Amino acid sequence: AQSVTQLGSHVSVSEGALVLLRCNYSSSVPPYLFWYVQYPNQGLQLLLKYTSAATLVKGINGFEAEFKKSETSFHLTKPSAHMSDAAEYFCAVSEIQGAQKLVFGQGTRLTINP
Amino acid sequence: DTEVTQTPKHLVMGMTNKKSLKCEQHMGHRAMYWYKQKAKKPPELMFVYSYEKLSINESVPSRFSPECPNSSLLNLHLHALQPEDSALYLCASSQSLQGASTDTQYFGPGTRLTVL
Repeated sequence: AQSVTQLGSHVSVSEGALVLLRCNYSSSVPPYLFWYVQYPNQGLQLLLKYTSAATLVKGINGFEAEFKKSETSFHLTKPSAHMSDAAEYFCAVSEIQGAQKLVFGQGTRLTINP
Repeated sequence: DTEVTQTPKHLVMGMTNKKSLKCEQHMGHRAMYWYKQKAKKPPELMFVYSYEKLSINESVPSRFSPECPNSSLLNLHLHALQPEDSALYLCASSQSLQGASTDTQYFGPGTRLTVL
């Protein structure tokens, strides 16, 4: 079975600072990886996804992630944090069991300090 | 339009009540999902419908009964729930094209369920 591990349940950065949220995967086959964001009292929104087309994936709101097979990682970054980035972020890996199944990491809460 | 709608937004029910959650999408997606999310936890998959047929049931208790009347609608019927079933229930949909591993799931805002 595939899985993802998010390192750090809570990350706090200053406004304007670099955001780095870590995700490592475990998979015996080439993985398809996703980053979702959840704002308070809302559903999940896709930030970006890795589908093996390119290792550096650009997403919405200035986020990007780089797939590194040698490190089994898919870390999410943003050069300059904005107050509106405060949210819960989930990394997920996709597997097929008759239909698509997303396996989520435990999530990382991002706090932005003014 | 990439919207998945869910009704109601909030629901409070007693353990003997019967209620239903509703989910709707008009994106032509052929896969629809129910997730349960407890506070400060990731979503947990409950059910998946693909082309209106139940494809995945993650060993969910029978007090939760899903229904997919057509390709745009997904219901979750609730009966005799327990207080520990209180959670945010999220619906999602995806295209379910060939190569579905790369599908994007679009999530609704959820229904906040409280069981007294």
